[in-house]
Amino acid sequence: GQQLNQSPQSMFIQEGEDVSMNCTSSSIFNTWLWYKQDPGEGPVLLIALYKAGELTSNGRLTAQFGITRKDSFLNISASIPSDVGIYFCAGRGSQGNLIFGKGTKLSVKP
Amino acid sequence: KAGVTQTPRYLIKTRGQQVTLSCSPISGHRSVSWYQQTPGQGLQFLFEYFSETQRNKGNFPGRFSGRQFSNSRSEMNVSTLELGDSALYLCASSLGSLLNEQFFGPGTRLTVL
Repeated sequence: GQQLNQSPQSMFIQEGEDVSMNCTSSSIFNTWLWYKQDPGEGPVLLIALYKAGELTSNGRLTAQFGITRKDSFLNISASIPSDVGIYFCAGRGSQGNLIFGKGTKLSVKP
Repeated sequence: KAGVTQTPRYLIKTRGQQVTLSCSPISGHRSVSWYQQTPGQGLQFLFEYFSETQRNKGNFPGRFSGRQFSNSRSEMNVSTLELGDSALYLCASSLGSLLNEQFFGPGTRLTVL
């Protein structure tokens, strides 16, 4: 079936650093979504991408829909402590269901 | 506008029992999808209901079932619980078009002993 490979699995950030994560797939998706999940909560939609090549920003977050429709990346600029959490990419399957990557866990450098 | 609500938030059951989880979508939303989240498998799609009909189904055994009521509220049921069913069960609602965005509830944490 369709699968998404998300990397990195985890990363440590220092306040002020830029962060980058990406998702790739062997299948084509027509929609890419990025979610953030905090402990004890459900995922919250950050950015939705609908067209190949599309670059969309939401505050300090920027995401791009790859031109091949098989990948997407998310950048966070000037990270702040509340950015910690787990970030998920998701592609919308042909029947509308979401297929999720395994997540990127963002933690603060000790 | 109230968000997606799920009840109960936490549940402990033993093997062999059955469980029913409830989801109330955002007002006006007609589609409800259910997902299972585990550390090993991540977020996996269970099924989706729209206008009281199952519109889409993931690759889970028949022990997992669901239904949707006329007010769009949805329930999912798991029968003959196994240890591996321990997970966070999330529901997400959307307006109904396959292109509409899905908004997630906080989930129900199910522990099977």
